[in-house]
Amino acid sequence: AQTVTQSQPEMSVQEAETVTLSCTYDTSESDYYLFWYKQPPSRQMILVIRQEAYKQQNATENRFSVNFQKAAKSFSLKISDSQLGDAAMYFCAYRGMRFGAGTRLTVKP
Amino acid sequence: DSGVTQTPKHLITATGQRVTLRCSPRSGDLSVYWYQQSLDQGLQFLIQYYNGEERAKGNILERFSAQQFPDLHSELNLSSLELGDSALYFCASSVFPGSSYNEQFFGPGTRLTVL
Repeated sequence: AQTVTQSQPEMSVQEAETVTLSCTYDTSESDYYLFWYKQPPSRQMILVIRQEAYKQQNATENRFSVNFQKAAKSFSLKISDSQLGDAAMYFCAYRGMRFGAGTRLTVKP
Repeated sequence: DSGVTQTPKHLITATGQRVTLRCSPRSGDLSVYWYQQSLDQGLQFLIQYYNGEERAKGNILERFSAQQFPDLHSELNLSSLELGDSALYFCASSVFPGSSYNEQFFGPGTRLTVL
């Protein structure tokens, strides 16, 4: 069974600075997608970014980018120029059905 | 707004009771997923349906059951409720049923409180 591990239960970042959230996963498959979801206090699940495993290029969406290391089965999320609105729980997901336990991100003004 | 609707938004009931949660997927999406999120926990995948058929099963208790109807809406039935069943229940939908790419769009969730 595929497992997803987020080893950082909580992270904190100063406004305007950069933070990286870690995620590792376990799979024997070669073709898959990985996702990062954001869950703000409203509890709505919001897709932040997706990565296709067969693409070597790391995905980028505005201030959000990933560092995808397929061999290491690592999929970290980098948030640049952090904003107060980025404060939320962040979940890494494998194929959208296996979720990590989440990382709570606090942004300090 | 993801286009996925869930009713009711909140549900308060007593132990031993039975409840039904309802989900309508985005227009055009054939696959529906159910998740449970207990307080400050991650999402636990419960079950997936595609075009009316069960597609994948996760950590779903025997007291729980689900189905997807011909109009593609889905219902999650929870019976013999226990205090530990109190959680936020999410429904999500996607276009593709089980390929490696299955971006899901989440509904707002139903908050179930069992007293």
